[in-house]
Amino acid sequence: TQLLEQSPQFLSIQEGENLTVYCNSSSVFSSLQWYRQEPGEGPVLLVTVVTGGEVKKLKRLTFQFGDARKDSSLHITAAQPGDTGLYLCAAYSNSGYALNFGKGTSLLVTP
Amino acid sequence: NAGVTQTPKFQVLKTGQSMTLQCAQDMNHEYMSWYRQDPGMGLRLIHYSVGAGITDQGEVPNGYNVSRSTTEDFPLRLLSAAPSQTSVYFCASSYSLTNEKLFFGSGTQLSVL
Repeated sequence: TQLLEQSPQFLSIQEGENLTVYCNSSSVFSSLQWYRQEPGEGPVLLVTVVTGGEVKKLKRLTFQFGDARKDSSLHITAAQPGDTGLYLCAAYSNSGYALNFGKGTSLLVTP
Repeated sequence: NAGVTQTPKFQVLKTGQSMTLQCAQDMNHEYMSWYRQDPGMGLRLIHYSVGAGITDQGEVPNGYNVSRSTTEDFPLRLLSAAPSQTSVYFCASSYSLTNEKLFFGSGTQLSVL
């Protein structure tokens, strides 16, 4: 199993602050996915990054794939309470059949 | 659209009891999988299927059985429940076999006493 290390594990910030969460590995990935999970629900895909150095934006969320395709970051600008949730990075195994997840970053944004 | 439907939402079992967690999808997806989610451990893959009649083990398969008789359904069976199987279980599916977005159900909270 390819290990995906996410940091920080927990993050509590106030509305309007910026934040960055990280997903790191020693393995090279063909692509990497970011999911968000809200309490009592399953994860929902936010974005897939494929090319080394790629940057994708989803409203106030900016995702970057490392040049070497071993790591990724998620930056949130001006966080809102609606951003609260568990952020998970995931990558497929070499076989392509098993999607492996990091342990996640739990984000709490308070008004 | 229903998407991925899991039943039941909550279940309490006694040690040694058996049960089946149901998962159905109406998107004609070939790939289906089961994960368990535990605090501090993240999501771990139990079993997956790349099509009807084909299943394989994931990272934590012990104590669980699966079968895939139809494209739509992928039940997870606990033959003799143990307290270590207390967890939240998620079923997921995707259209193609590899490197695709997963659609998740809303989960089953299982407690084994």
